[in-house]
Amino acid sequence: EPEVTQTPSHQVTQMGQEVILRCVPISNHLYFYWYRQILGQKVEFLVSFYNNEISEKSEIFDDQFSVERPDGSNFTLKIRSTKLEDSAMYFCASSVTFRGETQYFGPGTRLLVL
Amino acid sequence: QKEVEQDPGPLSVPEGAIVSLNCTYSNSAFQYFMWYRQYSRKGPELLMYTYSSGNKEDGRFTAQVDKSSKYISLFIRDSQPSDSATYLCAMSAGETSGSRLTFGEGTQLTVNP
Repeated sequence: EPEVTQTPSHQVTQMGQEVILRCVPISNHLYFYWYRQILGQKVEFLVSFYNNEISEKSEIFDDQFSVERPDGSNFTLKIRSTKLEDSAMYFCASSVTFRGETQYFGPGTRLLVL
Repeated sequence: QKEVEQDPGPLSVPEGAIVSLNCTYSNSAFQYFMWYRQYSRKGPELLMYTYSSGNKEDGRFTAQVDKSSKYISLFIRDSQPSDSATYLCAMSAGETSGSRLTFGEGTQLTVNP
């Protein structure tokens, strides 16, 4: 069964450093998303992406964040200058439809900012 | 008021019990309703989705939506220890305003053998 994959599974970085989180969405999916989950809190939407541009972003997704689909398979989330409060689990998701009812999530990248 | 409210539990039941998980919401724009299962430190796994009021059944799982009351439920029949996980409700406005999912807090369920 096709699945969303994410790398790395864990990342430890120093405050102020740049990190890139990588995702390979399900191959025939057209809509891509990033969510995050701070430990003990709910899953929160960051950004959606379609046709090589951002469709929607949340208030969390400020100028420190960017997304890119550098080739036909990868989808990346970049955090330019990490802060302590960026420590969280980051999930990539993908969907065939724009309606959002069938978003499939990857296993996540656990980011720890020291 | 939170857009989506879900009792975080924890909920502990014996094996074979019927489990009822619930969410309420305040945003009338939500049209699509999903239930995800999340094991500890893993990604959410889509269990079911529905977009109309009424019931939808899939094996031991039944999703119920009441749009007039802004209330959704997930029932698990003949619960098994492998059902022990956190259950997340999620909602989307769909075509009206994009497809972001808004999640509830999650309910932690333990099914005891």
